[in-house]
Amino acid sequence: SNGLTQPPSVTVSPGQTARITCSGDILSSQFAYWYQQKSGQAPILLIYKDKDRPSGIPERFSASNSGTTVTLTISGVQAEDEADYYCQSSDTTGAYVVFAEGTKLTVL
Amino acid sequence: QVQLQGSGPGLVKPSETLSLTCSVSGGSMDRHYWSWIRQSPGKGLEWIGYVYSNGYTNYSPSLKSRVTISIDTSNNHFSLRLRSVTAADTAVYYCARGGSTVETSGVDVWGQGNSVTVSS
Repeated sequence: SNGLTQPPSVTVSPGQTARITCSGDILSSQFAYWYQQKSGQAPILLIYKDKDRPSGIPERFSASNSGTTVTLTISGVQAEDEADYYCQSSDTTGAYVVFAEGTKLTVL
Repeated sequence: QVQLQGSGPGLVKPSETLSLTCSVSGGSMDRHYWSWIRQSPGKGLEWIGYVYSNGYTNYSPSLKSRVTISIDTSNNHFSLRLRSVTAADTAVYYCARGGSTVETSGVDVWGQGNSVTVSS
């Protein structure tokens, strides 16, 4: 384990709210970042510095940090949100970038 | 806006060196971190390392002994060399802007990804 843990999968119905967690002790002292990767595509940055959204990212994507757990929330999930979501932060030394193993979001 | 285009061989023989180059267009390389990140088939993202615009590098401890990342800001590109490859190095390799624990902007620009297979 690299110190960051995500659930392997989350399933939601269209219009519902999806919550994807990422846990790790390092999150209490280092920022978290979230990426979305659709099948066959490069990842895109969804959230930086725990909760900030880059321009162009829809407002239905939000995130929060409660110490050692960060949560990505997708409100009003759409079919196009079906993708893998990755949390990223640092290793325990704070020197190296690490990604969690990702969560597959299924919209049924 | 900044765009990244990776290039290099899609097939590398075991024990040889994997070499990829990433061309940067639409912006300056100065005062940015430039990373390589890979994704093995069916797996998650793995950070390989970064080079800063002044040439400073930082590598993943698990790959440090085999990796060199270099930068040429005059010609707007940076490169990855991974020595002594094995089948375990088969992956899609992404070049990207960001990917340090110093910047707080995250990995905000990604290349399209280059698929590299290690096989004889």
